[in-house]
Amino acid sequence: DSGVTQTPKHLITATGQRVTLRCSPRSGDLSVYWYQQSLDQGLQFLIQYYNGEERAKGNILERFSAQQFPDLHSELNLSSLELGDSALYFCASSPSGNNEKLFFGSGTQLSVL
Amino acid sequence: ILNVEQSPQSLHVQEGDSTNFTCSFPSSNFYALHWYRWETAKSPEALFVMTLNGDEKKKGRISATLNTKEGYSYLYIKGSQPEDSATYLCASRVGAGNMLTFGGGTRLMVKP
Repeated sequence: DSGVTQTPKHLITATGQRVTLRCSPRSGDLSVYWYQQSLDQGLQFLIQYYNGEERAKGNILERFSAQQFPDLHSELNLSSLELGDSALYFCASSPSGNNEKLFFGSGTQLSVL
Repeated sequence: ILNVEQSPQSLHVQEGDSTNFTCSFPSSNFYALHWYRWETAKSPEALFVMTLNGDEKKKGRISATLNTKEGYSYLYIKGSQPEDSATYLCASRVGAGNMLTFGGGTRLMVKP
């Protein structure tokens, strides 16, 4: 158990809908990361937050947004969902966000039908 | 575009064999190279983070080396065991924060 908690584990929804994925980092970790794992691609970096502020941004679609709250948990919001958004979404955390190993949650499997 | 390449894509070995995989990454603007182990139905677990040219890390039967000048890292597993079966991912840090670009992974299967 990495100490990173992601909910829900599975999510099935329809095209056009909006969903929210939630992540609680390890106790004491200030940095949270979101990654997307699609069938045909490796782990793709979406976004990183550090102590409530956006630190780095990857190829995150405009339909996706994220935030980190004062209690350090993070949410990833996916809207106007398309079939291609079906993927495994991982959250990871690290103490400060500089050259540290990441601790991954168990992921949220999103299926868009 | 930063490309992190791993080879081979998959590998089948017998229990007791030693094996190694390669991770290639662009050598410019290098910050760090990570190795993760990802077992089926679990989440990726960190093995090593390396930052300096010539770094060598070891954890039990697994070790890794880093060459930042030529942009490659090797992961070695000595005396493979069935429980080593997993996908091994490398990732290179680019730019601000701790943004990692992952390779496609090497899937290792160890037969008893």
